[in-house]
Amino acid sequence: QSALTQPASVSGSPGQSITISCTGTSSDVGAYDFVSWYQQHPGGAPKLVIYDVTNRPSGVSDRFSGSKSGNTASLTISGLQAEDDADYYCTSYTTTSSLYVFGTGTRVIVL
Amino acid sequence: QVVVVESGGDIVQPGTSLRLSCAASGFAVSQYGMHWVRQAPGKGPEWVAAISYDGSKTFLADSVTGRCTISRDTTKNMLYLQMTNLREDDTAVYYCAKEISIAILGLVIVPGPMDVWGQGTTVTVSS
Repeated sequence: QSALTQPASVSGSPGQSITISCTGTSSDVGAYDFVSWYQQHPGGAPKLVIYDVTNRPSGVSDRFSGSKSGNTASLTISGLQAEDDADYYCTSYTTTSSLYVFGTGTRVIVL
Repeated sequence: QVVVVESGGDIVQPGTSLRLSCAASGFAVSQYGMHWVRQAPGKGPEWVAAISYDGSKTFLADSVTGRCTISRDTTKNMLYLQMTNLREDDTAVYYCAKEISIAILGLVIVPGPMDVWGQGTTVTVSS
C-alpha cells in the first residue's frame, strides 16, 4: 500500500512551535476530511491526537492542532514540551484498495 | 475505564495459522467500529483490518486479503483476527483499537480513527 509522505524528522526547542506535513493524493488526503494524527513514544502504542483533520479527542492538549490544504495535511504542536518528543504518524481513508493508509512517520526532537 | 487487551500472539512457522483475540471492557464492541493495526520491528504502523460498528462490513488491507478474517463476538465483547498461511513479513506487534466515531462517506461506512489502543500482542513468523 502507498504510504502518505512525511518528513523524517522535525526539531524544535521548548516553547517553540513546529509543523509536520503529510502529503497524499486526490484519492486520500485531498479527497476527504478523514485525516488523523497519532503520537507514539518508544515501546508504546499509538495515541490519537487529532482526527477528522481538526478535531481533538478529549484529554488531548490544545497545543495540538490540525489543518489541511489540498493534498497536504499538517499537524502543529505549539509551546513544544519535552514530552512531545515522539514519533508522529498521519493516516487517511483512501479510495484505493488500500482503504486506510499511514504516513511514513516523523520523529519530533525536542532540543 | 475503556480498555482493550490483546492476546494470542506466538512464535509460529511460515504457512501456519493463528487467531488473535482482543478483550474489550468499559464499552460494547457492538457499538463501535474496531480495528487491527500491526507494527513490524523498527517500522511504522500498518493498518490490517476493521469491522464496522454494526458488524455489517469488514475491511481488509491488500497485504492480508485472502489470508485474514476479522470478526467479533458481541456476547463476549471480543474482537478476533484469524490469520492463515502466515509469512515472515507478518512478523509484528498486533494492536487492537476502538474507533472514536463512525466514519461515513455518503451513506457508506468506512474505516475511521482509533482512540483506544491496547498494548499489543507479538506475532513472530520464522522457520
